[in-house]
Amino acid sequence: GQNIDQPTEMTATEGAIVQINCTYQTSGFNGLFWYQQHAGEAPTFLSYNVLDGLEEKGRFSSFLSRSKGYSYLLLKELQMKDSASYLCAVRDSNYQLIWGAGTKLIIKP
Amino acid sequence: TAGITQAPTSQILAAGRSMTLRCTQDMRHNAMYWYRQDLGLGLRLIHYSNTAGTTGKGEVPDGYSVSRANTDDFPLTLASAVPSQTSVYFCASSDRGGDYNEQFFGPGTRLTVL
Repeated sequence: GQNIDQPTEMTATEGAIVQINCTYQTSGFNGLFWYQQHAGEAPTFLSYNVLDGLEEKGRFSSFLSRSKGYSYLLLKELQMKDSASYLCAVRDSNYQLIWGAGTKLIIKP
Repeated sequence: TAGITQAPTSQILAAGRSMTLRCTQDMRHNAMYWYRQDLGLGLRLIHYSNTAGTTGKGEVPDGYSVSRANTDDFPLTLASAVPSQTSVYFCASSDRGGDYNEQFFGPGTRLTVL
């Protein structure tokens, strides 16, 4: 079967750095996405990785290792507005997204 | 631009009744999707459409039907609602010719079936 694993919840301090991990087992791989979802709102696109390595976009970076079936999202200089759920999704061989359950990130002052 | 709109925002529905959730996008995206999101579970694909006139079944299609008469609209119909269909429903679209093909989501419909 297809499976995406992420921690259910993480807590971090404002101004700090946090790493959210995602491991996956899917039928085929055509890219990995990270989305942010604030409570009661729709998911919004954060990052995309299809090749191994690190992609940096401002305070957010995403890393991929296809051989290990592993990705992480790194958030730097945390702000209170970063409190949200972070969703990992893998595009499979049918070009459909398989979603993890999401990691709820709580930022404390 | 409006992006993707969904209606209604929320609804309480009696079991056994039918209902259509509406979804409209103005980005001229060729692909559209319907997901349900339940607490503790990832988004689950109900139905999708790669282009106008075609539809396909996702992971959890039972009890739902869709149509794609044109590029902009992708309604989801519950023929006879059951309490297990209580969920938040998100419509999404993507440009399959784009670099990332990332999906853009509507604001969601919160449905309660009693």
